[in-house]
Amino acid sequence: GAVVSQHPSRVICKSGTSVKIECRSLDFQATTMFWYRQFPKQSLMLMATSNEGSKATYEQGVEKDKFLINHASLTLSTLTVTSAHPEDSSFYICSARPSGGGDRTGELFFGEGSRLTVL
Amino acid sequence: AQSVSQHNHHVILSEAASLELGCNYSYGGTVNLFWYVQYPGQHLQLLLKYFSGDPLVKGIKGFEAEFIKSKFSFNLRKPSVQWSDTAEYFCAVNSKAAGNKLTFGGGTRVLVKP
Repeated sequence: GAVVSQHPSRVICKSGTSVKIECRSLDFQATTMFWYRQFPKQSLMLMATSNEGSKATYEQGVEKDKFLINHASLTLSTLTVTSAHPEDSSFYICSARPSGGGDRTGELFFGEGSRLTVL
Repeated sequence: AQSVSQHNHHVILSEAASLELGCNYSYGGTVNLFWYVQYPGQHLQLLLKYFSGDPLVKGIKGFEAEFIKSKFSFNLRKPSVQWSDTAEYFCAVNSKAAGNKLTFGGGTRVLVKP
């Protein structure tokens, strides 16, 4: 199956610093990637849709200046948590949808997730 | 707006027991339906999916799900579970009308006792 890789898998930072998380599709191209946030014992909540070569689309209630998304190529999207605070501590998961469509239309492939802890 | 509801938050059962997890969605248009599984310490993996055709879908590891359009349901089943099926299961839906954004249910934690 298609592979999506996230880096780093774990990061601890001080309050006020910025953290960048990378999401790469390793064996396919992805015009669209999605960023989710998962709180403990809760489901995944969609934060934003990342579109290659254009601005990300944010879900209601998600601060676009806080969570900067850059989809620089067909295989890479980055999420930067700016001026992180303890309440930003969470598990961030990216997913990617193959650009080719066909049988894979609608199916997403998920990264391993990145656990952010802000002290 | 589309939404997904999973009825059970936690399920505990013994090996060889049968499993059924409920999933209902709210969107009335054409949808694609998915079940994902997250084993402890691992990332989400696709169990099975329904796009069209036969409403009874067979997935990996002996799982199946049935799409009942009239009930807006997509329940997951496995006739005989194993200890290795201990995981969290997420039902999800997307639709073209919603920009193909995947909406997840709250998840069901399944614990299979050996």
